[in-house]
Amino acid sequence: DGGITQSPKYLFRKEGQNVTLSCEQNLNHDAMYWYRQDPGQGLRLIYYSQIVNDFQKGDIAEGYSVSREKKESFPLTVTSAQKNPTAFYLCASSMDRVLGGYTFGSGTRLTVV
Amino acid sequence: QQQVKQSPQSLIVQKGGISIINCAYENTAFDYFPWYQQFPGKGPALLIAIRPDVSEKKEGRFTISFNKSAKQFSLHIMDSQPGDSATYFCAARNGGSQGNLIFGKGTKLSVKP
Repeated sequence: DGGITQSPKYLFRKEGQNVTLSCEQNLNHDAMYWYRQDPGQGLRLIYYSQIVNDFQKGDIAEGYSVSREKKESFPLTVTSAQKNPTAFYLCASSMDRVLGGYTFGSGTRLTVV
Repeated sequence: QQQVKQSPQSLIVQKGGISIINCAYENTAFDYFPWYQQFPGKGPALLIAIRPDVSEKKEGRFTISFNKSAKQFSLHIMDSQPGDSATYFCAARNGGSQGNLIFGKGTKLSVKP
């Protein structure tokens, strides 16, 4: 079955640590996205990538980094510079921008302890 | 200009009733308007979508009404069921250079038996 796999489902981070969230898709989609979800805030775009080896900052990129070395993979690193990292993180992909219609993963809940 | 305003924030409906969620936008460059449904702990899933050349789209119990002149669109859920209880997000895509989806802040729907 095609889809997006995010791992881990739950992640705990100590203050000052970097953590990496995994996102893998087997949909052969070109574009991939990372969103952050906080209660009452909707979905806010962190980074997006339209092709391999290229990515763009979204609205709240500070304290985050990404890479896109393979079409299937778009990992997100939450760095120690992100002051309030506790949130639900969602990865999505789409065939391309024109066709729209994102497919989302099941999310990773990150908690700072 | 890039915002999508969604209301209400929460909604309680009796089983069998009609649920109505409204969204408004300002940017006339938006060219694709999807609705997503999200259950707790899961990623959003595409429910139904419309393009601005159509005033209404129906899929089963779900209908999008689109008013281009008023820059508003709404989701109607007919014969609402307890299984429809979820958070609903409207979104809009800027057909211009970026083409990313911009999401409303969500509506938490509870359908009472």
